[in-house]
Amino acid sequence: GQNIDQPTEMTATEGAIVQINCTYQTSGFNGLFWYQQHAGEAPTFLSYNVLDGLEEKGRFSSFLSRSKGYSYLLLKELQMKDSASYLCAVTDSNYQLIWGAGTKLIIKP
Amino acid sequence: IAGITQAPTSQILAAGRRMTLRCTQDMRHNAMYWYRQDLGLGLRLIHYSNTAGTTGKGEVPDGYSVSRANTDDFPLTLASAVPSQTSVYFCASSDGAGGLNEQFFGPGTRLTVL
Repeated sequence: GQNIDQPTEMTATEGAIVQINCTYQTSGFNGLFWYQQHAGEAPTFLSYNVLDGLEEKGRFSSFLSRSKGYSYLLLKELQMKDSASYLCAVTDSNYQLIWGAGTKLIIKP
Repeated sequence: IAGITQAPTSQILAAGRRMTLRCTQDMRHNAMYWYRQDLGLGLRLIHYSNTAGTTGKGEVPDGYSVSRANTDDFPLTLASAVPSQTSVYFCASSDGAGGLNEQFFGPGTRLTVL
């Protein structure tokens, strides 16, 4: 079967760094997405990785290792507005997105 | 620019009733999707459309139907609602295949079936 695993919840302190992990087992791989979803709102796109390595975009970075079936989202200089759920999604061999259940990130002052 | 709009924002529905959730986008995207989101589960694809005039089944299509008469609109119909269809429904669109391109989401419809 196809499976995306993420921690259910994480807590971090304002100003700190947090790493949210995502492991996947899918039928084929054509890319990995990270989305942010604030409570009661729609998901919004953060990043897309298709090759191994680190993609940096401001305070957010996303890493991919295809051989390990692993990705992480790194958030630096955490702000209270970063409190949200972070969704990992993988594109399978049929070019369909398989979504993880999301990681709820709680930022404390 | 509105992006994607959904209606209604929320709805309480009696079991057995028919309901259509509306979705309209103004970005001229070819592909559109309907997801449901339940607590503790990832987004699950109900139906999708790669281009006007075509539709396909996703992971959880039973009890739902869609149509794509034009580029902008992608309504989702529950023919006879059941309590297990209580969920938050998101419509999304993408410029090209959704598995390779950013998806843009509507604000969602919160549906409760009693």
